Amino acid sequence: RKEVEQDPGPFNVPEGATVAFNCTYSNSASQSFFWYRQDCRKEPKLLMSVYSSGNEDGRFTAQLNRASQYISLLIRDSKLSDSATYLCVVLKGTDSWGKLQFGAGTQVVVTP
Amino acid sequence: EAQVTQNPRYLITVTGKKLTVTCSQNMNHEYMSWYRQDPGLGLRQIYYSMNVEVTDKGDVPEGYKVSRKEKRNFPLILESPSPNQTSLYFCASSLSVLNYGYTFGSGTRLTVV
Repeated sequence: RKEVEQDPGPFNVPEGATVAFNCTYSNSASQSFFWYRQDCRKEPKLLMSVYSSGNEDGRFTAQLNRASQYISLLIRDSKLSDSATYLCVVLKGTDSWGKLQFGAGTQVVVTP
Repeated sequence: EAQVTQNPRYLITVTGKKLTVTCSQNMNHEYMSWYRQDPGLGLRQIYYSMNVEVTDKGDVPEGYKVSRKEKRNFPLILESPSPNQTSLYFCASSLSVLNYGYTFGSGTRLTVV
């Protein structure tokens, strides 16, 4: 079983709609979680950290469910520019230098 | 501008010919790492470094070497490249992986024939 698993998609979303997707992780001791965005053949860029209480950044909302070991990302009022692959990232261990474990990504395609 | 710079962006080489991919960051970050990305597999860590002269293996270190003689530079060395090392490579750095995750370079697309 992969340590971080994501639905590869694609999630086809009409412009203006809401899309949500999850990511599951296997290590219950994981402490830090992130969502990254990656455009085609470009470097991943940090979208947002995921906090225990859940957090929001504009149209993006991230949630953490420790009991079920998954994190989620919700995008409201989708824009064409939101089309990308979203990578779920989990930190192995609790040290500041811990290793990041990446999911393979969920592709989102926003259509006009 | 704060950034991680990788070179070259694209490289085609032949099996067995030693090559080095350079990585430099201007943010005074202690933590640096190399990843490779292959379709369906996501990013996999090759090596990482917590500080100058401190490096450790990631998940897929075979066939690679690194060095960290200066804080800003973290080159990736392929002593004898093979076709299975054809991949997209990313260098990354961080002030604190726990809190901030990594900042990535623009990537190096390597093809070994």
